[in-house]
Amino acid sequence: GENVEQHPSTLSVQEGDSAVIKCTYSDSASNYFPWYKQELGKRPQLIIDIRSNVGEKKDQRIAVTLNKTAKHFSLHITETQPEDSAVYFCAASIIAGTYKYIFGTGTRLKVLA
Amino acid sequence: NAGVTQTPKFRILKIGQSMTLQCTQDMNHNYMYWYRQDPGMGLKLIYYSVGAGITDKGEVPNGYNVSRSTTEDFPLRLELAAPSQTSVYFCASSSGVGANVLTFGAGSRLTVL
Repeated sequence: GENVEQHPSTLSVQEGDSAVIKCTYSDSASNYFPWYKQELGKRPQLIIDIRSNVGEKKDQRIAVTLNKTAKHFSLHITETQPEDSAVYFCAASIIAGTYKYIFGTGTRLKVLA
Repeated sequence: NAGVTQTPKFRILKIGQSMTLQCTQDMNHNYMYWYRQDPGMGLKLIYYSVGAGITDKGEVPNGYNVSRSTTEDFPLRLELAAPSQTSVYFCASSSGVGANVLTFGAGSRLTVL
């Protein structure tokens, strides 16, 4: 069935360094890939997303890249700050399809001051 | 504009008991979803609905039931609670248009003893 794999499960970086989280999806029909940030005890919130007709999207310190051929996409956070510490989830979905999202298992990012 | 509201926030059930998690949204969204999040794991889709009167199973529907009698409400029913249903439950909604961004509720933490 449809599956999204996410790596690594935990990631520790020094403040100011970059962090990269990678996801691979199985359904070639997927065409929408959002990233959610979940702070401890809070609800997941969308931080950035990308559609399959775009290879890269950037929003200040956050960027997402997509490789449709390899079926993988990545989240890049530059100049990390302590407030970036959270669990990050990738997801894959099909626009104008069933709108079901398949989520990755999450990456716990710790930014060390 | 409250967004997605879930009740209760916390609940402890005994094995075999039943209960309903309530979810309501005031954004006139067509799509609604129920996810469960086990510790250290990602979000698993239980059920979803594309509109009033229409529901469909997600990845992990066993032990749950849903109904969608109105656009606003999407309750999740647990029958004969089991320890395996101990989890945090998130309700979410989306417009079903364009990028179809998910908006999550604050979550309901359920413990079955």
